[in-house]
Amino acid sequence: NAGVTQTPKFRVLKTGQSMTLLCAQDMNHEYMYWYRQDPGMGLRLIHYSVGEGTTAKGEVPDGYNVSRLKKQNFLLGLESAAPSQTSVYFCASSQGLAGGWHEQFFGPGTRLTVL
Amino acid sequence: AQSVTQLDSQVPVFEEAPVELRCNYSSSVSVYLFWYVQYPNQGLQLLLKYLSGSTLVESINGFEAEFNKSQTSFHLRKPSVHISDTAEYFCAVSLYLYNFNKFYFGSGTKLNVKP
Repeated sequence: NAGVTQTPKFRVLKTGQSMTLLCAQDMNHEYMYWYRQDPGMGLRLIHYSVGEGTTAKGEVPDGYNVSRLKKQNFLLGLESAAPSQTSVYFCASSQGLAGGWHEQFFGPGTRLTVL
Repeated sequence: AQSVTQLDSQVPVFEEAPVELRCNYSSSVSVYLFWYVQYPNQGLQLLLKYLSGSTLVESINGFEAEFNKSQTSFHLRKPSVHISDTAEYFCAVSLYLYNFNKFYFGSGTKLNVKP
């Protein structure tokens, strides 16, 4: 049981390049999330998904796109990277059933630098 | 509107001293409360959670947190810290609103335990 995994762990991009971050979970969770973490700002929600084939915008969605074609995978795409997207990206998942008491399980993070 | 406030961005403390990390929240609906810990270069891990029942909850490594509804607080405490407790700690609130289980994270408190 690997939990939540993320690939890659590190990446350096040049401004304007594109890339996709992959998140996978093996806990059969319905909900998946993408956050970015910046110093002094905690975690900010980029996009989330409440089930296979569904996605929705979070707090800071601009410049990112996501897809959830399979229940276990949640992809985060940067179409044209900008230096402001330099950050640590975390994927998380939760059972997400009605009630609000299900904690989120986090991946190890992807450190992205955009030059 | 919902929000989570961690008043201290950094807390330096000597080994074996007690520590308290403060967390206050605001919400118009009932919430569930969590503390997550993030060790250097790792993802977030659940430390403890309050769902219902006793307002004092404990973790396996000696931390405890008390839910105070009247003060809307969920402070984290440990009577004697170790070097290995050096990490960043995030308070989080979960609520079920508009058919969605949503999390709000505080901005984090860095605990630096000195020998």
